[in-house]
Amino acid sequence: GAVVSQHPSRVICKSGTSVKIECRSLDFQATTMFWYRQFPKQSLMLMATSNEGSKATYEQGVEKDKFLINHASLTLSTLTVTSAHPEDSSFYICSARDSGTGIGYGYTFGSGTRLTVV
Amino acid sequence: AQSVTQLDSQVPVFEEAPVELRCNYSSSVSVYLFWYVQYPNQGLQLLLKYLSGSTLVKGINGFEAEFNKSQTSFHLRKPSVHISDTAEYFCAVSDTNAGKSTFGDGTTLTVKP
Repeated sequence: GAVVSQHPSRVICKSGTSVKIECRSLDFQATTMFWYRQFPKQSLMLMATSNEGSKATYEQGVEKDKFLINHASLTLSTLTVTSAHPEDSSFYICSARDSGTGIGYGYTFGSGTRLTVV
Repeated sequence: AQSVTQLDSQVPVFEEAPVELRCNYSSSVSVYLFWYVQYPNQGLQLLLKYLSGSTLVKGINGFEAEFNKSQTSFHLRKPSVHISDTAEYFCAVSDTNAGKSTFGDGTTLTVKP
């Protein structure tokens, strides 16, 4: 089945530094990837939709200059948290859908990245 | 706009007992419906989905769900749970056109020995 590889699984960084999270579709092409943020004991909040070859679409309230998304190829999307602060500490998850199948086939999720900013 | 309401935030149940996790949704357009499971510190795994056709859908790990259009519900059931089913379960809806998913707040299923 479809697999999405997300790295790193866990990262600790100092306040003010930037962190890059990668999301790769291993055996399928993904024209669209989604980035979510999940706080403890809460649901997934969509941050942005990453479109291959074009600018990402951000949800209301998400700072596009802080959360930089790049989708340079059909198999790779990256999320960079710039000038990270402790309040950015969270669980970040990506998901992708095989562009060769219909929307109803659901999404494959990455394993998530636990970001801790100290 | 779509919304999803998972009616129970926590469901404790004994091993081998049946369980039902409830999900109601609202939408002004046609939707697809999904249930996902999340184990601690992991991403989400698709359990099952309803696209069209038979309203009873079967998924992995012995789970099934029934789509009820009149009640706008998509409840998840399992006749006999195992300790390993302890996890967070999310109900989600997707617009059939845009594809973005809206998730419920999740239900924590705890299976006790």
